[in-house]
Amino acid sequence: NAGVTQTPKFRVLKTGQSMTLLCAQDMNHEYMYWYRQDPGMGLRLIHYSVGEGTTAKGEVPDGYNVSRLKKQNFLLGLESAAPSQTSVYFCASSYLQRNTEAFFGQGTRLTVV
Amino acid sequence: DAKTTQPNSMESNEEEPVHLPCNHSTISGTDYIHWYRQLPSQGPEYVIHGLTSNVNNRMASLAIAEDRKSSTLILHRATLRDAAVYYCILRENRDDKIIFGKGTRLHILP
Repeated sequence: NAGVTQTPKFRVLKTGQSMTLLCAQDMNHEYMYWYRQDPGMGLRLIHYSVGEGTTAKGEVPDGYNVSRLKKQNFLLGLESAAPSQTSVYFCASSYLQRNTEAFFGQGTRLTVV
Repeated sequence: DAKTTQPNSMESNEEEPVHLPCNHSTISGTDYIHWYRQLPSQGPEYVIHGLTSNVNNRMASLAIAEDRKSSTLILHRATLRDAAVYYCILRENRDDKIIFGKGTRLHILP
């Protein structure tokens, strides 16, 4: 049981390049979330999904796209990376019941130069 | 915006109890109160949650006010490993999102 796994752990991009971050969970969770965390700040929700084939915008969705083609995977895409997207990205998953805990990945540290 | 308010930072001595407060005055009757913590360079981890009654687990206790507009996370005997940012979050029935506030940075003094 691996929990929530994020790939890659580190990445350096040039401005304008694209990339996809992968989040995989093996707990059969319905809900999945993508967050970004800037230095010294709390986590901000980018996009989330309440089930396979569904996605929704969070607090800071601009510049990102997501897809959830399979229940266990949630992809975060940057089509044209900008230095402002330099951050640590966390993925999380949970059951839909509000009395259950969310599980977080270890993060992806992305630097855009 | 986050639906909870917490102090920016707190300090405590090692091996003493720590009480971390959280205000959530707009809470509704079916919203759960969750606490997570984030150790340096790690993702957040679940600590405890509750609805109305006080809750205990191996990590901490959660004391919920009778009107549910505030709660307190209690670490009974703080260790250096408990130095982290602690987040109080409402999981609302009317909202699928999990929104983080700024949390409380807890410093443990040896």
